[in-house]
Amino acid sequence: GQNIDQPTEMTATEGAIVQINCTYQTSGFNGLFWYQQHAGEAPTFLSYNVLDGLEEKGRFSSFLSRSKGYSYLLLKELQMKDSASYLCAVRPRIDYKLSFGAGTTVTVRA
Amino acid sequence: EAGVVQSPRYKIIEKKQPVAFWCNPISGHNTLYWYRQNLGQGPELLIRYENEEAVDDSQLPKDRFSAERLKGVDSTLKIQPAELGDSAVYLCASSLSWRGDNEQFFGPGTRLTVL
Repeated sequence: GQNIDQPTEMTATEGAIVQINCTYQTSGFNGLFWYQQHAGEAPTFLSYNVLDGLEEKGRFSSFLSRSKGYSYLLLKELQMKDSASYLCAVRPRIDYKLSFGAGTTVTVRA
Repeated sequence: EAGVVQSPRYKIIEKKQPVAFWCNPISGHNTLYWYRQNLGQGPELLIRYENEEAVDDSQLPKDRFSAERLKGVDSTLKIQPAELGDSAVYLCASSLSWRGDNEQFFGPGTRLTVL
């Protein structure tokens, strides 16, 4: 399998910024996804990176460095509804298989 | 547009009993996936379908698990007999294709508890 590491938990204050790191080791690389999953709900797509650099989507941004096997998801202007698990998933080759990390539980406090 | 539909949402059974999960993917999505997600873990792929063909079932425990996707639309995943370790959330996902950046859309999952 693939080796994907992300922190287990993070806590931040409403209105603040949080950065969730993801490191991976794969045999080849064909894209990295970030998903958000609220407790008891389905994962929902947040972002996709295949080239190095930063992709910005509103309050959420995702960064990729292929040479370092590293990505981060940046959440700005945190809101209470952002409390959820954030899953990093890597597509290791030109195929369909996504390998997911264990997820990072973000808790936003007032 | 309706998302991926799964039923039931929750299921509690005793060990050695059979159980089945149903999934209706997004209309027009050719690729369908079944994942298992244990508590505190990310989803793990069990099987992928391209239309009605199971193109990768290498992760499916075939001694007790089976799946089908008749007519290339709805799919069912069955466990017979269930074991305690099968307690997990079973997620169905679909995508237009497995290629490129095609996003996988997940259903809400079926939470299985085996007693």
